[in-house]
Amino acid sequence: DIQMTQSPSSLSASVGDRVTITCRASQGISNFLAWYQQKPGKVPKLLIYAASTLQSGVPSRFSGSGSGTDFTLTISSLQPEDIATYYCQKYNSAPWTFGQGTKVEIK
Amino acid sequence: QVQLVESGGGVVQPGRSLRLSCAASGFTFSRFSMYWVRQAPGKGLDWVAVISDDGSDKYYADSVEGRFTISRDNSKNTLYLQMNSLRAEDTAVYYCSRDISVGVGITGLMDVWGQGTTVTVSS
Repeated sequence: DIQMTQSPSSLSASVGDRVTITCRASQGISNFLAWYQQKPGKVPKLLIYAASTLQSGVPSRFSGSGSGTDFTLTISSLQPEDIATYYCQKYNSAPWTFGQGTKVEIK
Repeated sequence: QVQLVESGGGVVQPGRSLRLSCAASGFTFSRFSMYWVRQAPGKGLDWVAVISDDGSDKYYADSVEGRFTISRDNSKNTLYLQMNSLRAEDTAVYYCSRDISVGVGITGLMDVWGQGTTVTVSS
């Protein structure tokens, strides 16, 4: 099975900072990569799919890029409401594996 | 509004069984593939199972294959997860979720999530 590895596991940044999270697949998955946001005590929310397509209603400060095995999620200007754990997920085929998550905190 | 409400969680001894339900409302349930995803305490998301809109296709994570069964009743707008031979490592919040696409099979993308039901496996 394809493994999904995120880095870093956690990060602390200031409001307004540019934040980048990386996700690496152990085999190529084309652009079948999604990002989810889970705020503390809340359910996951789909942010981005097809590696770079924003789900409806997601602020434009979020962006995604990558293809094959290496992907990134970028928050262009971190806001207090972005405090959450972010998960990547492969969806090219079963099993639909998630990365281990990246916890984003405010410095 | 679109809503998924899970139920059936609880505390159960290892080796016993439990059936989870997920009641859907606000959308045409029979046209969407549906998922179960779990999250152990303090851990990440773990995909468990998926079922196609008509119930003809089902897939399971290796960790639950042979022990868990996903099913649906489209006449009742309800998704189920029958969990047998439960283990301590099955302890988690279990979420049901909806596929993003209507009528095109299983995409793997989940756009609507329930609030979850907690399963604790302990003696």
